[in-house]
Amino acid sequence: SQQGEEDPQALSIQEGENATMNCSYKTSINNLQWYRQNSGRGLVHLILIRSNEREKHSGRLRVTLDTSKKSSSLLITASRAADTASYFCATEKGSQGNLIFGKGTKLSVKP
Amino acid sequence: NAGVMQNPRHLVRRRGQEARLRCSPMKGHSHVYWYRQLPEEGLKFMVYLQKENIIDESGMPKERFSAEFPKEGPSILRIQQVVRGDSAAYFCASSTLGQGSTDTQYFGPGTRLTVL
Repeated sequence: SQQGEEDPQALSIQEGENATMNCSYKTSINNLQWYRQNSGRGLVHLILIRSNEREKHSGRLRVTLDTSKKSSSLLITASRAADTASYFCATEKGSQGNLIFGKGTKLSVKP
Repeated sequence: NAGVMQNPRHLVRRRGQEARLRCSPMKGHSHVYWYRQLPEEGLKFMVYLQKENIIDESGMPKERFSAEFPKEGPSILRIQQVVRGDSAAYFCASSTLGQGSTDTQYFGPGTRLTVL
């Protein structure tokens, strides 16, 4: 079974609205990271939140982490058409550093 | 500082041929990870290497696939006798710290392999 699973699988909103994506995982983690992938492109690192942190901000991004529920959320405020992409959460497997990704949330922001 | 570089960006092979994918990590990074992404899927870890060493290859198929990261030059992911099921995007990532540490992995643009 996957370590990280995002929901919803797809999300369509209007420009200016907020977008919230969730990620659940199964085992204990050192940290959780969110990545963005534009269609046909590589991944761009957005934000890393450590297991002892509860909330982190970066520009229009806000990430929360609830280790008791083994879940994280990514909030994009005041969305823009350029935010259209797939968003993945990733957790580290043990201490090796290799990441385990979910299937992602495909976000579509309509102008 | 150039990012992670991968080449070729697109690679077409016929069944039975060999595919060689190259990855040059970011300057100063000595840890390299390879991932595979099938259409509409997330990335799946394949192998983690440091210079001249394979640290974790638990995600790599036992047959036909191999990886190396020599002292000099890029990391190479090699797929022998490719089959149609190998068609995917292959991403390389690099980091500075690697094992036992919390560090960001920076991804390359990927190589899209198509097997005819």
